[in-house]
Amino acid sequence: ILNVEQSPQSLHVQEGDSTNFTCSFPSSNFYALHWYRWETAKSPEALFVMTLNGDEKKKGRISATLNTKEGYSYLYIKGSQPEDSATYLCALRPNSGGSNYKLTFGKGTLLTVNP
Amino acid sequence: DADVTQTPRNRITKTGKRIMLECSQTKGHDRMYWYRQDPGLGLQLIYYSFDVKDINKGEISDGYSVSRQAQAKFSLSLESAIPNQTALYFCATSDYFNEQFFGPGTRLTVL
Repeated sequence: ILNVEQSPQSLHVQEGDSTNFTCSFPSSNFYALHWYRWETAKSPEALFVMTLNGDEKKKGRISATLNTKEGYSYLYIKGSQPEDSATYLCALRPNSGGSNYKLTFGKGTLLTVNP
Repeated sequence: DADVTQTPRNRITKTGKRIMLECSQTKGHDRMYWYRQDPGLGLQLIYYSFDVKDINKGEISDGYSVSRQAQAKFSLSLESAIPNQTALYFCATSDYFNEQFFGPGTRLTVL
């Protein structure tokens, strides 16, 4: 069983603050790392797919970095807005044969941005 | 129209009843998945299918079965529902790069 850990479990910030959180995964079994944004009462939506060590992806005020050698990815949100409030999930696609097409999800980081 | 749809969106049933949750997609993807989400546990994979003839168990398949009726349809059945199957169920599809597209979810309550 792959262990994908996200921290912190939850986070409260004020509007305008910048914030970041972490996804950790086994570096020995890596093919790709996915980030999803999951708003309450909606379904998860893909943010980024990252495959290369040192990758950096950006979408608006949200960006992510990847370190496959040490097994972590950071998600950054610059100037948080209330509409950024959501659970942010990371998921690992492993590099192992028949399991290669399954994603193992972390438990998520719940971000609340207070106006 | 939504690319991935699920029916029903909400269901309350009693212990021992047979329940079917249905998923349809218009994305043309071969790969389809069923997940359940419990508070504090994240998304857990129940079953997945890479095409109509390829169905595989996920992490928590006990008590569930699936049917891939066509490329676009993937159904999840609870043969005899029990209260600890109360959860939010998501269907998802993916392309080769495995970016997953989720349906709106079905909230199932087993009394």
